[in-house]
Amino acid sequence: EAGVAQSPRYKIIEKRQSVAFWCNPISGHATLYWYQQILGQGPKLLIQFQNNGVVDDSQLPKDRFSAERLKGVDSTLKIQPAKLEDSAVYLCASSLRFGQETQYFGPGTRLLVL
Amino acid sequence: SQQGEEDPQALSIQEGENATMNCSYKTSINNLQWYRQNSGRGLVHLILIRSNEREKHSGRLRVTLDTSKKSSSLLITASRAADTASYFCATDHDSNYQLIWGAGTKLIIKP
Repeated sequence: EAGVAQSPRYKIIEKRQSVAFWCNPISGHATLYWYQQILGQGPKLLIQFQNNGVVDDSQLPKDRFSAERLKGVDSTLKIQPAKLEDSAVYLCASSLRFGQETQYFGPGTRLLVL
Repeated sequence: SQQGEEDPQALSIQEGENATMNCSYKTSINNLQWYRQNSGRGLVHLILIRSNEREKHSGRLRVTLDTSKKSSSLLITASRAADTASYFCATDHDSNYQLIWGAGTKLIIKP
């Protein structure tokens, strides 16, 4: 079974530029999560999707971050404009269904904002 | 905000020794999970313990949960070099099945 795929793996941009990350969850997984992990910290949930609907985006900085999961499969997270403090690893995770506790993580996208 | 706090922040032991790390949390939970993160394999689920369970085993892993103290411990027996990683506890405490994560314990196994 293929795991969660993310791209790109690394991205370096200058502040005020925009960037987009892509995630393809495990086939058949209905729930998708985006996390931000700053160096030395645990992951922080940004947004949770159930199929193509948003369950929770309360911690997503909506003035600059946006995310979509239009067909209930893959998802895109965008930052526009980026700030220095957005430098982090962005992790995508999926679970089989809403209520299944175990989450499966992709390798992450490491973002550096200069 | 972070729910769980792992202790110690870092731990260095000899290969073959046992490693114990702890996690404390603030509010009541549905379950508590432990994950491992290393550069090679990313974040990987290790074990889940539900709020009505007190102890769980999986291979060389043993997890305990004390809901009265709002704490959990992860014991890795007979450590191996491949166990070198950061270990995170994550708690599920609401109806959205969202996980709130601690800052992790960095474990180094010396050969």
